[in-house]
Amino acid sequence: EAQVTQNPRYLITVTGKKLTVTCSQNMNHEYMSWYRQDPGLGLRQIYYSMNVEVTDKGDVPEGYKVSRKEKRNFPLILESPSPNQTSLYFCASSGLATNEKLFFGSGTQLSVL
Amino acid sequence: QKEVEQNSGPLSVPEGAIASLNCTYSDRVSQSFFWYRQYSGKSPELIMSIYSNGDKEDGRFTAQLNKASQYVSLLIRDSQPSDSATYLCAVNILSDYKLSFGAGTTVTVRA
Repeated sequence: EAQVTQNPRYLITVTGKKLTVTCSQNMNHEYMSWYRQDPGLGLRQIYYSMNVEVTDKGDVPEGYKVSRKEKRNFPLILESPSPNQTSLYFCASSGLATNEKLFFGSGTQLSVL
Repeated sequence: QKEVEQNSGPLSVPEGAIASLNCTYSDRVSQSFFWYRQYSGKSPELIMSIYSNGDKEDGRFTAQLNKASQYVSLLIRDSQPSDSATYLCAVNILSDYKLSFGAGTTVTVRA
């Protein structure tokens, strides 16, 4: 089954404690992206990648890191989480054509205390 | 100015009525336009895509695109309670190769 697998589904942590949210896709997609979703603000792009070792900033990259060492994986790293990073996070992937459908992971609800 | 703007909700319609959702975008060279539906607590799912001016129909959903006016809309005919969700407009911003989303419009269909 074609899918984007994101873990964990829920995460509660404390300020400053490094964390990683994993994302993996099994569709051989070149393009992968991370979004955060906050009430009234919609989906905002954090980082995206168009292929292995190719990553670029989205609209809200501050406080986040990503890596794309393998085509299927695109982890999101918060080196020193802060309460304003409390949000719902989605990983997504697609092919590179501009009309490609985005496949989303099931989301990670992060709370930073 | 936001790249993609949607009419603010929430939008409440009676069962069987037409729900009309609007979206405007700022990038004139955008080529691909999408509507995603998101149920509460779930991830977005694609319900419509449109690439050329005019109407595109898929079941009870009709997407309308007017590139000159930089406007895209979604009509839901014969609205059902199962259509109650947040609808996200997404536009491909070619200059940055990214998909920009609007804030979403929450639709509630009253039985």
